[in-house]
Amino acid sequence: NAGVTQTPKFQVLKTGQSMTLQCAQDMNHNSMYWYRQDPGMGLRLIYYSASEGTTDKGEVPNGYNVSRLNKREFSLRLESAAPSQTSVYFCASSEGPGIGIKNYGYTFGSGTRLTVV
Amino acid sequence: KNEVEQSPQNLTAQEGEFITINCSYSVGISALHWLQQHPGGGIVSLFMLSSGKKKHGRLIATINIQEKHSSLHITASHPRDSAVYICAVKDYGGSQGNLIFGKGTKLSVKP
Repeated sequence: NAGVTQTPKFQVLKTGQSMTLQCAQDMNHNSMYWYRQDPGMGLRLIYYSASEGTTDKGEVPNGYNVSRLNKREFSLRLESAAPSQTSVYFCASSEGPGIGIKNYGYTFGSGTRLTVV
Repeated sequence: KNEVEQSPQNLTAQEGEFITINCSYSVGISALHWLQQHPGGGIVSLFMLSSGKKKHGRLIATINIQEKHSSLHITASHPRDSAVYICAVKDYGGSQGNLIFGKGTKLSVKP
């Protein structure tokens, strides 16, 4: 099925360990996003890539880095994991960034549940 | 600051009931999205609205731009509708592609 694929689905890390969350989409979308979801809060944007070759910080970028490897893939890296990064991470994609009145739907992955102990 | 507010936070209904979930926002928007998230699951896009009303099966979404308010209705609710429903808006003047999300409404439909 076409969509957004995230790996892994679950991960437990020790404080200070590093890891990369992978995301790939097969819809030829230009824009990709990483969000985190925490209890009692709405999803918050970590980083986004409006188009291949560009990345920008979102609302909560500290402690994370991203790579837009090609049009399909957008990875999120935690260099030194902290307990505050325990969360559910969602990757999403859209046809474009949506500027002004131009809007596009979003397709989300199934999420990665990350626990940092 | 809560730019997107949803009500109620939690909702329990009996199978067959008509359900309404509300979303109010404070920013100028170019579009509003309704999303569904099943327990432990991913997020599925239900609707994207910029005006008026949309219908898909038993789901109806409406938006009133002047009042900055949207509603999601579920007719003839079923236990499989149990999920968290999330409202998100695309801020007209916001950074590229960023959505502002509400905290979600947790719906439980009892058989």
